[in-house]
Amino acid sequence: GIQVEQSPPDLILQEGANSTLRCNFSDSVNNLQWFHQNPWGQLINLFYIPSGTKQNGRLSATTVATERYSLLYISSSQTTDSGVYFCAVGASNSNSGYALNFGKGTSLLVTP
Amino acid sequence: DTEVTQTPKHLVMGMTNKKSLKCEQHMGHRAMYWYKQKAKKPPELMFVYSYEKLSINESVPSRFSPECPNSSLLNLHLHALQPEDSALYLCASSPGLTGELFFGEGSRLTVL
Repeated sequence: GIQVEQSPPDLILQEGANSTLRCNFSDSVNNLQWFHQNPWGQLINLFYIPSGTKQNGRLSATTVATERYSLLYISSSQTTDSGVYFCAVGASNSNSGYALNFGKGTSLLVTP
Repeated sequence: DTEVTQTPKHLVMGMTNKKSLKCEQHMGHRAMYWYKQKAKKPPELMFVYSYEKLSINESVPSRFSPECPNSSLLNLHLHALQPEDSALYLCASSPGLTGELFFGEGSRLTVL
């Protein structure tokens, strides 16, 4: 199946700082999503972004499909941004059909 | 309303018990998924249903038995589980086998 690598694995920021999370994938994809998993385990949809650039408030994402990577930007971080950020991809030619395969995540801690 | 509802939120069961996890969506989505997530790991795909038919079974042990009674409901029947099956079980849905996945809050299972 498609390999998904996220970096960095762990990140500690002071409130107000900016950060960039990266997701590399090993094959062509027709689905790419970024999620934030809160401490209670819920996966919150951030972006559905198989290609292009999107912005939502302090968050933005860019996927360069031809170069097989995606970036998630967090600006002016807040303590509520803490949690695990997952990149997940899907491809029609994978063994799992169109279902999403997840990277290992980036664990973010924002301190006051 | 982009909501996937899972019940129960928490479940404790013995190794000889039979229980079920339930998932419901009213977004008109035609694909539904079960994922399993162990602590500090990414979600792993278990099953995919497309148009109420099982399309993917990721070599899951037979003690997990999925059921899709209609396009809005997805069940996961549990029998003779092992303590290592303790995990967060996440249900998701998408419009079809492509498109954005939406996850429920999860059912946290403990097997004693």
